[in-house]
Amino acid sequence: EVQLVESGGDLVQPGGSLRLSCAASGFTFSSSLVSWVRQAPGKGLEWVSTISGSGAITYYADSVKGRFTISRDNSKSPLYLQMSSLRAEDTAIYYCARGPDTVTNAFDMWGQGTMVTVSS
Amino acid sequence: DIQMTQSPSSVSASIGDRVTITCRASQGISSWLAWYQQKPGKAPKLLIYAASSLQSGVPSRFSGSGSGTDFTLTISSLQPEDFASYYCQQANSFPLTFGGGTKVEIK
Repeated sequence: EVQLVESGGDLVQPGGSLRLSCAASGFTFSSSLVSWVRQAPGKGLEWVSTISGSGAITYYADSVKGRFTISRDNSKSPLYLQMSSLRAEDTAIYYCARGPDTVTNAFDMWGQGTMVTVSS
Repeated sequence: DIQMTQSPSSVSASIGDRVTITCRASQGISSWLAWYQQKPGKAPKLLIYAASSLQSGVPSRFSGSGSGTDFTLTISSLQPEDFASYYCQQANSFPLTFGGGTKVEIK
């Protein structure tokens, strides 16, 4: 079964740091682009970051560039999102998603999400 | 950046109704558009990719059309399980961007 499972969400103070993880199974992780997409409470979807299969190429939304770092460990399958200098506006559910897929050019598989709350 | 504008932001409809949601890109994106469905408390689910291709397992009452800047998602006959929020997303270039969403509610 193709599955993505996020973890690491927590309550953190403004200016703090947090690392999210996403464990993948049921597909060849190392050949897939994977991404993080977030959703603030009651709001729409916002793409955050994407990493290539090898990990050599990364993309970031302007809202997180310089503060967040996406990485992957293809030997163990986790995808990571290291978040620093967190702000209240980073409060959201963070989803790990497979894609953009090379065939569909879309996010064809999503995890259940992990909640990040930035508040003092 | 490519801006995606969805309309309407919400629509009230009855079982069996035909529902149409539109999405407009601020610049041409060829056919690189996807549609997602999201139910409360759940992750989004891919419905349509490449503007008009139905994702495996998605009912045929869902269809997509359009190219360039104007796109449409149509639900031909609304079913109880279709009451949800729908989002378009451009896949033409980074940064990837989503529309603001359309909530389909029960009339």
